[in-house]
Amino acid sequence: GESVGLHLPTLSVQEGDNSIINCAYSNSASDYFIWYKQESGKGPQFIIDIRSNMDKRQGQRVTVLLNKTVKHLSLQIAATQPGDSAVYFCANDYKLSFGAGTTVTVRA
Amino acid sequence: DAGVIQSPRHEVTEMGQEVTLRCKPISGHNSLFWYRQTMMRGLELLIYFNNNVPIDDSGMPEDRFSAKMPNASFSTLKIQPSEPRDSAVYFCASSLAGGKANEKLFFGSGTQLSVL
Repeated sequence: GESVGLHLPTLSVQEGDNSIINCAYSNSASDYFIWYKQESGKGPQFIIDIRSNMDKRQGQRVTVLLNKTVKHLSLQIAATQPGDSAVYFCANDYKLSFGAGTTVTVRA
Repeated sequence: DAGVIQSPRHEVTEMGQEVTLRCKPISGHNSLFWYRQTMMRGLELLIYFNNNVPIDDSGMPEDRFSAKMPNASFSTLKIQPSEPRDSAVYFCASSLAGGKANEKLFFGSGTQLSVL
């Protein structure tokens, strides 16, 4: 079956630095990829998405990169702030379970 | 828009009791999803509906769990009888699309369930 997984369960980042969260997927037919952010005590919230006809998409302080050759996508957060501390999940149009996510902790 | 609404926010019950979790999806969304989140297993899909019809319930742990969607604006997840290992946060989510074309999900605030 399809698997979509994050590379590291935790990431500690100094405030102001850039963060990179990586994710791999197995189904080469995947057409759509989504990143979610879950803050403590809340449900996951949509951050940014990308379709397979794109390699890069930028939002506000976030960029998603898609490498279809190696079936890898990443979420980059520029100038990480304390409010970015959360659990991050990647998903695609075949994978509806999210797993444990990557917990990002921002150090002051 | 009020978003996905779940109730109750917290539920504490004793082992063996029936538990019913409720969800109101965003108006106009035709897919509804039930998730369970624990430290051990992360965020796992239990079941999802498309146009009120259950499409995939392979994530439902066992027969003690059941879900219904009697209409487009309401769904329930029932656990009977409940067990301590059912303790988790249960999320409901809805989206505009369903099936393979999984579009972005909008999650509720979750129900924190504790079974003593």
